[in-house]
Amino acid sequence: SAVISQKPSRDICQRGTSLTIQCQVDSQVTMMFWYRQQPGQSLTLIATANQGSEATYESGFVIDKFPISRPNLTFSTLTVSNMSPEDSSIYLCSALGGGSSTGELFFGEGSRLTVL
Amino acid sequence: QQPVQSPQAVILREGEDAVINCSSSKALYSVHWYRQKHGEAPVFLMILLKGGEQKGHEKISASFNEKKQQSSLYLTASQLSYSGTYFCGTEPGGTSYGKLTFGQGTILTVHP
Repeated sequence: SAVISQKPSRDICQRGTSLTIQCQVDSQVTMMFWYRQQPGQSLTLIATANQGSEATYESGFVIDKFPISRPNLTFSTLTVSNMSPEDSSIYLCSALGGGSSTGELFFGEGSRLTVL
Repeated sequence: QQPVQSPQAVILREGEDAVINCSSSKALYSVHWYRQKHGEAPVFLMILLKGGEQKGHEKISASFNEKKQQSSLYLTASQLSYSGTYFCGTEPGGTSYGKLTFGQGTILTVHP
């Protein structure tokens, strides 16, 4: 299994500012993903964080708004840029397990952002 | 395209059984099931792969009908700890390996 730590766990931000969320996995993983979950809603995939190369974004999400870094196999960041109240959501980091956990998707506790 | 889950909500008494369904309009490589309690991260329950392979918890079972692109999660002799929101996640495979599209969720409440 993989243990995923995210920070901040929550934050209140002002419109127009940017915030970077950090994600640390306790073991090396091949694939990491970022999801968004609005309160009471389902999870929506934002992008795949690729180690050493640009992230792969899903339809409706762009790099200028959600720049992602992944410098190594255990760490990734997601920045939410030029925030508006519509960006208020929970952002979840996830990683695909390996070995006996192959195929399992592990999630961090999430970062709850409120944009005023 | 988002898979469709049914029912949207279930209320049970301890010891009762429940079935949650997940249906996709796309061909699938795998179906995943997760449970999320309020304010917590989703937790892996089960993965069902095309071809019949399954992996998951002993007390929870599921099925995957590849022809119909449907999966069902069976919760038997429910316990209070089963309460939460259940999500199915579908994976088409290929270049989308690991990328899950989640259903809208089924809220399960178990009462004593």
